[in-house]
Amino acid sequence: EIVLTQSPGTLSLSPGERATLSCRASQSVSSSYLAWYQQKPGQAPRLLIYGASSRATGIPDRFSGSGSGTDFTLTISRLEPEDFAVYYCQQYGSSPQYTFGQGTKLEIK
Amino acid sequence: QVQLQESGPGLVKPSQTLSLTCTVSGGSISSGDYYWSWIRQPPGKGLEWIGYIYYSGSTYYNPSLKSRVTISVDTSKNQFSLKLSSVTAADTAVYYCAGVNPYSNQFDYWGQGTLVTVSS
Repeated sequence: EIVLTQSPGTLSLSPGERATLSCRASQSVSSSYLAWYQQKPGQAPRLLIYGASSRATGIPDRFSGSGSGTDFTLTISRLEPEDFAVYYCQQYGSSPQYTFGQGTKLEIK
Repeated sequence: QVQLQESGPGLVKPSQTLSLTCTVSGGSISSGDYYWSWIRQPPGKGLEWIGYIYYSGSTYYNPSLKSRVTISVDTSKNQFSLKLSSVTAADTAVYYCAGVNPYSNQFDYWGQGTLVTVSS
């Protein structure tokens, strides 16, 4: 099973700043199968990025994804107040098997 | 726009079977456009994939839960269901149903989630 490790656990930033969230895999992951989600309290996760770098429908262009192999990054270029939430990465592997990272909490500084 | 809604008991006794149903609207389960999946999230913790079913009835489960999980589909009602047997307090979680894109394998659509508590 591929383990995804997200860092940092908590990121404290101010609106307008740039956020960089990391997702590292224990084995190489196909870029086609790496996604990012945003989850706010009491809500279901929302798909942001799929295929490592493609934005889902309706996602603002301040969200971008990059990376390959074992290292992937979610970048939020200029934080808006509504962006403070928990972010998860997710991968798909053969078997099939889906795993999620443990999450990064993005909080207001 | 596909929408999903979970339903089922919010409280289950230890050793019993947890049963949930997900109703899909805005799209047909039989279209073959998605895998239909269950995911859970213990309070304050991360996400765990439970398994999925295709409209044909093919199923795949998380190996860590495989011995206790059954996912079934009722295409006539546009629903799919989860059964988790022999539950313990560790199975207390918010349970989500979701639609998985079969090409890039991300969870495109999610239900709002339902909290199931295992307690006597």
